[in-house]
Amino acid sequence: SQKIEQNSEALNIQEGKTATLTCNYTNYSPAYLQWYRQDPGRGPVFLLLIRENEKEKRKERLKVTFDTTLKQSLFHITASQPADSATYLCALERGKLIFGQGTTLQVKP
Amino acid sequence: GAVVSQHPSWVICKSGTSVKIECRSLDFQATTMFWYRQFPKQSLMLMATSNEGSKATYEQGVEKDKFLINHASLTLSTLTVTSAHPEDSSFYICSARVGTVNNEQFFGPGTRLTVL
Repeated sequence: SQKIEQNSEALNIQEGKTATLTCNYTNYSPAYLQWYRQDPGRGPVFLLLIRENEKEKRKERLKVTFDTTLKQSLFHITASQPADSATYLCALERGKLIFGQGTTLQVKP
Repeated sequence: GAVVSQHPSWVICKSGTSVKIECRSLDFQATTMFWYRQFPKQSLMLMATSNEGSKATYEQGVEKDKFLINHASLTLSTLTVTSAHPEDSSFYICSARVGTVNNEQFFGPGTRLTVL
């Protein structure tokens, strides 16, 4: 069956460091992979979309890589700030979005 | 960016009653709207996809007679939880998409439903 895995353990890092979150998937060939941010009690907010024929996408302090051979995406936040603390969701799409369970990031000052 | 609103933001109801949740795209027309459910510490689970003027397409395991979806206009979709029970208590989130060229989905803020 199709499966999306994100590290369920919270990621704790120091302010200023680079946070790296992982999204692995199996039995799926997505056309797009998306990353969202979700704060407690709120809906997800779109961050980045990367297509299957793209290797890397950047937006300000954010970078996403997409390796369709490894079936993996990495999400990086450089120069992290306490305000980056949230849960980050990856989602695969081929017609509809399927979400991973998310990884909670805690950036300590 | 595009804004999607949901109303109410939270609702508490008695078991056996029905609850309607509204999802509106405020500054764009959404050809497709989606309804998700999220239990604590879990992922968003897609419940159904609705296109304006058409019947909703429900995901496997979602009872269409219990979760009624109406997408009467390009800016409004409603989800009615009929005869709600405590196990229906969850966080319900809608999203809207403009066409298929830009696959970005815009999510609403969510509605917290608690059934007593």
